Amino acid sequence: DPKIIQKPKYLVAVTGSEKILICEQYLGHNAMYWYRQSAKKPLEFMFSYSYQKLMDNQTASSRFQPQSSKKNHLDLQITALKPDDSATYFCASSQDNAGGQNTLYFGAGTRLSVL
Amino acid sequence: QQQVRQSPQSLTVWEGETAILNCSYEDSTFDYFPWYRLFPGESPALLIAIRPVSNKKEDGRFTIFFNKREKKLSLHITDSQPGDSATYFCAASPSSSFSKLVFGQGTSLSVVP
Repeated sequence: DPKIIQKPKYLVAVTGSEKILICEQYLGHNAMYWYRQSAKKPLEFMFSYSYQKLMDNQTASSRFQPQSSKKNHLDLQITALKPDDSATYFCASSQDNAGGQNTLYFGAGTRLSVL
Repeated sequence: QQQVRQSPQSLTVWEGETAILNCSYEDSTFDYFPWYRLFPGESPALLIAIRPVSNKKEDGRFTIFFNKREKKLSLHITDSQPGDSATYFCAASPSSSFSKLVFGQGTSLSVVP
């Protein structure tokens, strides 16, 4: 059973619309993250949260807003969608925000296509 | 500017051969280097990781060789199997925080029976 659930798996949106990508983790982790993988590009770090607080934001655009309603939830709201936002968005989690011995676990991703 | 580079972009080997995937990095503060494997439609999953206290890490058929001076590392997959066909990502970060985990662009490996 997947321990990090991302919904939906596939998402098609029109330019200018708004979508919310859902992520829930059932690993009991305290830190959650969003990464993005655009076509032929590396996985790119977007946000990290620890105990529901924003720790780091590497996304330049305010159109991307993470939302953490519960400790094990970290949704991603994207407004005013553009075709360049088309990518696979991966949610991840770890025991805490420190590196080293912590393992980063990923969800299966939401594949977003903006037309 | 890409801080973690991988080569080759794609690699095809015969079953039973050793696949060698290369990775290099820019930031000398990086001290944690995980490799993740991604099968189509699945989640990226940690395969093996190394910290610079050693220059080699082995786990079954998977071995990381690390050269701190040259800021290079490589993943060797011995006795490659068709089930190893996947995309392999090298990543790097300072051990202080996953917020700085930087991924390479990946190597797509195909193992031909």
